[in-house]
Amino acid sequence: DVKVTQSSRYLVKRTGEKVFLECVQDMDHENMFWYRQDPGLGLRLIYFSYDVKMKEKGDIPEGYSVSREKKERFSLILESASTNQTSMYLCAMGRDTDTQYFGPGTRLTVL
Amino acid sequence: KQEVTQIPAALSVPEGENLVLNCSFTDSAIYNLQWFRQDPGKGLTSLLLIQSSQREQTSGRLNASLDKSSGRSTLYIAASQPGDSATYLCAVRPGLEYGNKLVFGAGTILRVKS
Repeated sequence: DVKVTQSSRYLVKRTGEKVFLECVQDMDHENMFWYRQDPGLGLRLIYFSYDVKMKEKGDIPEGYSVSREKKERFSLILESASTNQTSMYLCAMGRDTDTQYFGPGTRLTVL
Repeated sequence: KQEVTQIPAALSVPEGENLVLNCSFTDSAIYNLQWFRQDPGKGLTSLLLIQSSQREQTSGRLNASLDKSSGRSTLYIAASQPGDSATYLCAVRPGLEYGNKLVFGAGTILRVKS
């Protein structure tokens, strides 16, 4: 079974805190993605990575950064969390010629 | 820029009914189109993937069609069951040159009443 693991299901942080969201895959896939999901807006791509140490901005990268030091691990970083970053964050992985496999999501609340 | 729209935003039907969910996209130059299912508070599960050269794909009670020229796809669910209640998302892959990036619609929330 394909597995994408996210470090937390629920997270509550305060404005200005640095937040790390971790994603780990077990399938040796080259592509990994971070999305946020908000009601009525669907999923929006924040960043993606197609190889170790490689990253590309998605549609809404402002306020976020990412790190991919190992193939199986892709981290999303909120340098200084703000209330408008309260959202559901979804990690996904996939090969170029395949579908994407999603993790269970992290619901982040910034107070 | 590719945009994906799903209609209706929400749908409530009695058990046993056949139903159709609609997806439209603005740029017909796509590599493939996928339908995903999302249960409340969970991640997404891929249901059907249609390549740009295909017209439809079937899996059990689900049938997805693709009309690339008109920018439309439909997901047909036969004999709906309460277990089908979930959010259904449509996503297009713009092209090979974009890696495996997907553009999502906002989803249709389906409730099947027993």
